[in-house]
Amino acid sequence: GAVVSQHPSWVICKSGTSVKIECRSLDFQATTMFWYRQFPKQSLMLMATSNEGSKATYEQGVEKDKFLINHASLTLSTLTVTSAHPEDSSFYICSARDRTIATNEKLFFGSGTQLSVL
Amino acid sequence: SQQGEEDPQALSIQEGENATMNCSYKTSINNLQWYRQNSGRGLVHLILIRSNEREKHSGRLRVTLDTSKKSSSLLITASRAADTASYFCATEDNFNKFYFGSGTKLNVKP
Repeated sequence: GAVVSQHPSWVICKSGTSVKIECRSLDFQATTMFWYRQFPKQSLMLMATSNEGSKATYEQGVEKDKFLINHASLTLSTLTVTSAHPEDSSFYICSARDRTIATNEKLFFGSGTQLSVL
Repeated sequence: SQQGEEDPQALSIQEGENATMNCSYKTSINNLQWYRQNSGRGLVHLILIRSNEREKHSGRLRVTLDTSKKSSSLLITASRAADTASYFCATEDNFNKFYFGSGTKLNVKP
């Protein structure tokens, strides 16, 4: 099946620094990538939808200047948490859709990034 | 959650028993999907049911969909310890966005 690689799997940073998370589709072209945030024992909250070559669309309440998303190619999307604060500590997961019609309806997920801001 | 609720929040059963979890959603949908998440990992797609379908099977999985009630259920038959995970339903809205339910944490005791 399609593979989505997400790095890093965990990161610890100091308050005020920026952290970049990469999401790559390894064996398919992703028309759309989604970024989710998950708090412990809770569901996934959609943060933004990233389309290749265009600006990301953010969900209500998500600060686009805080969470910068770049989808420069059909295989790579990045999420940068700028000026991170302890409240940004969370599990971030990316997912991607395959352009192949047969599998276009489901999402393929990265393994997630656990961000801890000190 | 952004989309809806799942119940139960947690379910503990013995190996060999069936597990049923339910999902309710809020908006009109194109399809509903179920995903599985092992602790601290990404999600894996299990099964998809379209809005014009009422029931679907895949191996030990059976999914039903009732669009009039905006609800779905996932049945795992003859559960195994390896089925222990969190299960989420997800719906795709008319803007091609995916929203997830609150999840059911399933524990299958050997």
